[in-house]
Amino acid sequence: DVKVTQSSRYLVKRTGEKVFLECVQDMDHENMFWYRQDPGLGLRLIYFSYDVKMKEKGDIPEGYSVSREKKERFSLILESASTNQTSMYLCASSPAGLSQETQYFGPGTRLLVL
Amino acid sequence: AQKVTQAQTEISVVEKEDVTLDCVYETRDTTYYLFWYKQPPSGELVFLIRRNSFDEQNEISGRYSWNFQKSTSSFNFTITASQVVDSAVYFCALFRGSTLGRLYFGRGTQLTVWP
Repeated sequence: DVKVTQSSRYLVKRTGEKVFLECVQDMDHENMFWYRQDPGLGLRLIYFSYDVKMKEKGDIPEGYSVSREKKERFSLILESASTNQTSMYLCASSPAGLSQETQYFGPGTRLLVL
Repeated sequence: AQKVTQAQTEISVVEKEDVTLDCVYETRDTTYYLFWYKQPPSGELVFLIRRNSFDEQNEISGRYSWNFQKSTSSFNFTITASQVVDSAVYFCALFRGSTLGRLYFGRGTQLTVWP
């Protein structure tokens, strides 16, 4: 079974703090994704990566950056957390090639920025 | 532009009722995939089904069934004899064949099944 893990289920941070959200997958998937989920807005794509050291902006990249130094790990960074970044963050991965359309999700991190 | 529309934001039913969740999509691609994911209160999205654009056969899996109609660009999901454990947010999603890797999600439908 595909396993996607996220470093924290719940996180509380202060405005202005630098925040790291970590995601690890164990299926050797090439593609990894970070989404943000807010009530009434569904899932919105922040950033994604097709390979190590590669990244692409999604629909709402402002205020975020990412890092992919190893294939299995994809980090989302909030350089200076703000209250409007309070949200649920979901990480996903998928293989390259013919099965790339199916994404597997982690349990999510609920971030509260005070 | 939103490419997947789930017009129902919330649905409430009583246990054992049948319920249909609607999904309408928009794409110019001839090759694409449609998905349904379930998100229980725990938060993790659970993959339910994938359908490619060349396969319009309806699918049934236990109490779940899916109706894919290209003529109306719809991919609806029906739960028969609903149970309290079906309470969750359900997302419909589109993977366009012309893109690399990304899914387009609808805004989700919150289903509450009352005992």
